[in-house]
Amino acid sequence: ILNVEQSPQSLHVQEGDSTNFTCSFPSSNFYALHWYRWETAKSPEALFVMTLNGDEKKKGRISATLNTKEGYSYLYIKGSQPEDSATYLCASNTGNQFYFGTGTSLTVIP
Amino acid sequence: EAGVTQFPSHSVIEKGQTVTLRCDPISGHDNLYWYRRVMGKEIKFLLHFVKESKQDESGMPNNRFLAERTGGTYSTLKVQPAELEDSGVYFCASSQKLFGRTGEQFFGPGTRLTVL
Repeated sequence: ILNVEQSPQSLHVQEGDSTNFTCSFPSSNFYALHWYRWETAKSPEALFVMTLNGDEKKKGRISATLNTKEGYSYLYIKGSQPEDSATYLCASNTGNQFYFGTGTSLTVIP
Repeated sequence: EAGVTQFPSHSVIEKGQTVTLRCDPISGHDNLYWYRRVMGKEIKFLLHFVKESKQDESGMPNNRFLAERTGGTYSTLKVQPAELEDSGVYFCASSQKLFGRTGEQFFGPGTRLTVL
């Protein structure tokens, strides 16, 4: 069993603020790191898949970095908007099994 | 292209009853996964089908849970008899044949099960 941790557990930010969250994972048996955005009652939406140390991915105002040697990934949101409110999940993929963190719940206050 | 669908979206049952959850993966996806999220905790792996075969069922909590994927298309997850601790959101995900290591999975919206 892999221990994937996310912090903070929840976050409230003002519209327009930039924010970031952390996902830490064991660096052994690492294949890929996945970020998902999840709104309750909807399907978790894949944001990024990263495999290589130093990877950086960007999608609009959201970006992510990966450090496989020390076992962490950061997710950044620039200029948060109310529609960014959701739970952000990371998962470490060891081959064919995903190990998820508990998620970071983001609320963007208009 | 239709995504992963799950039925029902919500189910409320009493302890001791039986519930069957259904998942329809994306057409052509050989790999189908079941996960469960208990409130406040992480999403946990239950099992993985490759076509109709169980590839890995190491996450199934006990023998009250039975998953099937007859014909390698849709899958069902039956809980019999349900206990209070079975409450949670049950997610299904599917992926194409694995190549490389990423095995990106596409998730359904989940079934929220409440056992009273």
